[in-house]
Amino acid sequence: DADVTQTPRNRITKTGKRIMLECSQTKGHDRMYWYRQDPGLGLRLIYYSFDVKDINKGEISDGYSVSRQAQAKFSLSLESAIPNQTALYFCATSDSQTGMNTEAFFGQGTRLTVV
Amino acid sequence: AQSVAQPEDQVNVAEGNPLTVKCTYSVSGNPYLFWYVQYPNRGLQFLLKYITGDNLVKGSYGFEAEFNKSQTSFHLKKPSALVSDSALYFCAVRDGGTGGFKTIFGAGTRLFVKA
Repeated sequence: DADVTQTPRNRITKTGKRIMLECSQTKGHDRMYWYRQDPGLGLRLIYYSFDVKDINKGEISDGYSVSRQAQAKFSLSLESAIPNQTALYFCATSDSQTGMNTEAFFGQGTRLTVV
Repeated sequence: AQSVAQPEDQVNVAEGNPLTVKCTYSVSGNPYLFWYVQYPNRGLQFLLKYITGDNLVKGSYGFEAEFNKSQTSFHLKKPSALVSDSALYFCAVRDGGTGGFKTIFGAGTRLFVKA
């Protein structure tokens, strides 16, 4: 089983609909992140969370919200989806206990299409 | 502000030849540098990192990277490319001078290895 699991893997939704992307991890890491990937732009940080009671905006948080339901779960919501939110979304985790030099572990991604 | 640049959208190399994927960065404090690889329909996988110490870092799958402080570069290298190395490669930087909690990714470089 994957250490970082994202659901759904693919989703097509209509403009204006609310949609939630879910992420769960079994690595026991305290830090979790949501990124979106667009061709030619790399990965851009949407939100990040350092523990259950900590939520922080990233570079491109407008139009998104998150919820850290438990240390292992971090969900991303699009309250009213729009076509330019069509992208590949990744959840990632890292462990603060090993310091700033720790690498991130990524889920397999959710491909979201807004029509 | 921290930033990272991958100047080449695509690198083409013949199997058996050496490969280099370029990365330059800008940070205010000490850099923590990472390389990740993404295969089709997969999440990013960690390859290697530079934190401190020896400027030549060895990582997974025979890859290595050279940290050059004066040129603010962290180029990824492999002595002999394999067709299976064909993938999308991301350089990432974390700024130790700002507390080192936010990782910025480059736009990615697609590597094609021809048989």
